[in-house]
Order: sequence, then structure tokens, then C-alpha cells
Amino acid sequence: KAGVTQTPRYLIKTRGQQVTLSCSPISGHRSVSWYQQTPGQGLQFLFEYFSETQRNKGNFPGRFSGRQFSNSRSEMNVSTLELGDSALYLCASSNGGRDSQETQYFGPGTRLLVL
Amino acid sequence: AQSVTQPDIHITVSEGASLELRCNYSYGATPYLFWYVQSPGQGLQLLLKYFSGDTLVQGIKGFEAEFKRSQSSFNLRKPSVHWSDAAEYFCAVGARGGSYIPTFGRGTSLIVHP
Repeated sequence: KAGVTQTPRYLIKTRGQQVTLSCSPISGHRSVSWYQQTPGQGLQFLFEYFSETQRNKGNFPGRFSGRQFSNSRSEMNVSTLELGDSALYLCASSNGGRDSQETQYFGPGTRLLVL
Repeated sequence: AQSVTQPDIHITVSEGASLELRCNYSYGATPYLFWYVQSPGQGLQLLLKYFSGDTLVQGIKGFEAEFKRSQSSFNLRKPSVHWSDAAEYFCAVGARGGSYIPTFGRGTSLIVHP
């Protein structure tokens, strides 16, 4: 079974631009979560989508948004980029059970650099 | 809300030596506990997880972890470290019946000397 894939792997943008990142979950998985990883803040949860609906949301500003398609693929969008948005963005998929014992499988991440 | 602390930012060991990475959690009941590893340029890979039952959990790559309720700890161990084990290790805690999303520690960077 193919793992979680994320595209692109690397991205350079300038302040004020917007960016869209893509995540394809493991086949059969219906839940996709997004995390931001930075040296200063560590791994922070952005949001989780399940069956095309946002089911959980972290504490990030509205500039960060996402969506999920009927095939479970997910995109996240960051508008009006700031220097502090430079980070590794990780996507994780799972079967989607509501209990935390569901194992999340992570993709390799998208490295975003904002200049 | 749950939280997790990894007290050691960096750990340096010699190849072949034993390893213990510390993890302490805060949660009102017995949580779900996870250890993940992240190699440079890679995403996170699950090493092992504890849900219930035997408090000594075996994982992949020769790792094990022990859940100690009295100490609110879930330390990761390996008897003999290999150079390929050099990576970032994350402990995570999840709430039973609560929010689906696990909370991650800040990570411990493992350096392995030849």
C-alpha cells in the first residue's frame, strides 16, 4: 500500500503571497490531519478533515484553511504569507475513528520557505 | 487538556550503548501514548504505542517503552543503539474518548557517535 504523499516537497514564496499544499492519504483512510512543525514551536496541530468535513481545528489564524475532497485527498491553503509561516507542513492520515488510539501515518512533509 | 514533556532536547550516545529517552505526560486518566521517530527530511514514523494491558510495549527497530502510571512516564529504551538511529524522537499523548488529536512533545534529538 502506498504511503501518504505530499506535494510539493519544497516551496519558496514571498510575503503576502498565498500557497496551496496537497496531501494524498493512504488508500482507504478517510481522515487527514495537518500539522505545522517549526524549531521554535515544535509540532502544532492545524486541523483535521474527515469525510470532507473539518472535524477538529487547532489554534491558528483564519489565514490557514483546508479542504478535503470526496477521494479523501486534502489541500491546505495559507493566504497572505508571513515570514513566520516558514515551516515543515506535515500531513497525516488514518482510518478516521474518533478515538485517539487511531494510528496516524505521516507523509514526508512540504518544506515552505517564506522570503 | 493533556500535555507531554520531553526533558532532554539532545541526547548523545556511542554506537552500541544503551539508550533511554524520557517522556512525561499530564492527563487526568490513563492516556494513549505514542513514540514517533523523524529522520532528517522525513515525516514521522510510529515506533510503538500504548493503549492498555501490558505496560511494557515492544516496537519496531528494537525499541521498547514502559508505561509507569505512578510516574506519569512513558520512557523509550533500546539496548544497543545503531548509527542509523540518529534522528528526532517525539512522544505523544492522546486523550481517551476525547479529542482525536494527539499532543506531541517538543522532541529529543539523538546523536550517535561511532
